[in-house]
Amino acid sequence: DTAVSQTPKYLVTQMGNDKSIKCEQNLGHDTMYWYKQDSKKFLKIMFSYNNKELIINETVPNRFSPKSPDKAHLNLHINSLELGDSAVYFCASSPGTGYTDTQYFGPGTRLTVL
Amino acid sequence: DQQVKQNSPSLSVQEGRISILNCDYTNSMFDYFLWYKKYPAEGPTFLISISSIKDKNEDGRFTVFLNKSAKHLSLHIVPSQPGDSAVYFCAAKVPGTASKLTFGTGTRLQVTL
Repeated sequence: DTAVSQTPKYLVTQMGNDKSIKCEQNLGHDTMYWYKQDSKKFLKIMFSYNNKELIINETVPNRFSPKSPDKAHLNLHINSLELGDSAVYFCASSPGTGYTDTQYFGPGTRLTVL
Repeated sequence: DQQVKQNSPSLSVQEGRISILNCDYTNSMFDYFLWYKKYPAEGPTFLISISSIKDKNEDGRFTVFLNKSAKHLSLHIVPSQPGDSAVYFCAAKVPGTASKLTFGTGTRLQVTL
């Protein structure tokens, strides 16, 4: 009964491949996020969806494409993987976009690009 | 441009003593601040927050202090317990930015016996 779950937990792949990371939340939240934590441990927002609508789209290469089939799911597809994409990717959700709405994070997906 | 900074990458404190974790920010538009705690192989979990209209917020053993003029906040943990050993992230929000959180790089706290 994990609140925010991500699959897979680990992903090792070759440069140039395309991969997807899936995220699901069972909290009934309206808003979901993708964050990237790089090798310097810097946790930075990439995207956010509210009720399946994209509301935050940071400066991210267009090889990264989020998809929200419904409010409970936010998947991240990455095309033509590069070495610099190696990082831990965290999904999160919050009740909404309210000022004090707490974000709940998934356990992360460690992506290694060889 | 790192707008939220945690200049101490690590901190070691004895069990029972006070842990003080510091965070500085540069963006004067930030008006809501949060602390998250992260254990290895887990996602960050929310700990405590403070609005810019306050200078202190307390929740059990955890207290956050905000000094707006210095653009500085701190998290105090009293008394520290071994289970508090984790990485602590400071984060901040600008109003009207659809819940976008800007995080610091974290401070690893180790509470020793």
